[in-house]
Amino acid sequence: NAGVTQTPKFRILKIGQSMTLQCAQDMNHNYMYWYRQDPGMGLKLIYYSVGAGITDKGEVPNGYNVSRSTTEDFPLRLELAAPSQTSVYFCASSYPEGSGRDNEQFFGPGTRLTVL
Amino acid sequence: AQSVAQPEDQVNVAEGNPLTVKCTYSVSGNPYLFWYVQYPNRGLQFLLKYITGDNLVKGSYGFEAEFNKSQTSFHLKKPSALVSDSALYFCAVRPYYGGATNKLIFGTGTLLAVQP
Repeated sequence: NAGVTQTPKFRILKIGQSMTLQCAQDMNHNYMYWYRQDPGMGLKLIYYSVGAGITDKGEVPNGYNVSRSTTEDFPLRLELAAPSQTSVYFCASSYPEGSGRDNEQFFGPGTRLTVL
Repeated sequence: AQSVAQPEDQVNVAEGNPLTVKCTYSVSGNPYLFWYVQYPNRGLQFLLKYITGDNLVKGSYGFEAEFNKSQTSFHLKKPSALVSDSALYFCAVRPYYGGATNKLIFGTGTLLAVQP
């Protein structure tokens, strides 16, 4: 059971480039989340998904897009990278609300992205 | 606005001494409260949670937290600190929206430094 996996671990982008951060989980969790972590700011929710085909914006969605074609995968897309998107990105997953096991989020190891 | 506050950016404690990391929250309804720990270059790991019941909850690695409804606080404690406890600690709250959501609001984090 690998849990939540993220690739790549590190990436440097030039302004205007695009990339996809990959996230996968093998725990059959319905709910998945993308956060960014900036120093002194805690974690901010970018997008979340409550199941395949269903996504919604979080607190800081501008500049990002997501898709959820399968239960396992939840990629995050940056279309036109900007220096403000330099951050550490974490993917997380959980059981659905009301399942009795829905209270804990499981986090991946993170992707450190630098935009120059 | 719903929020979580961790008033201390850093807490310093000597090994063997008790430690407290503070957290206060502001949410509507009955909150679910969590503590997560982040070691360097790692994702967040779940420590403990309060859902309902006994105000003192016990978690991993000897940590415990006390829910105080009147003070809207959920402070993390440990009777005897270890150098290996040095890490970044996040308090999080899951507001009750009455809908299908499992989103968390995170505090800004407190760096715990335990000196030998």
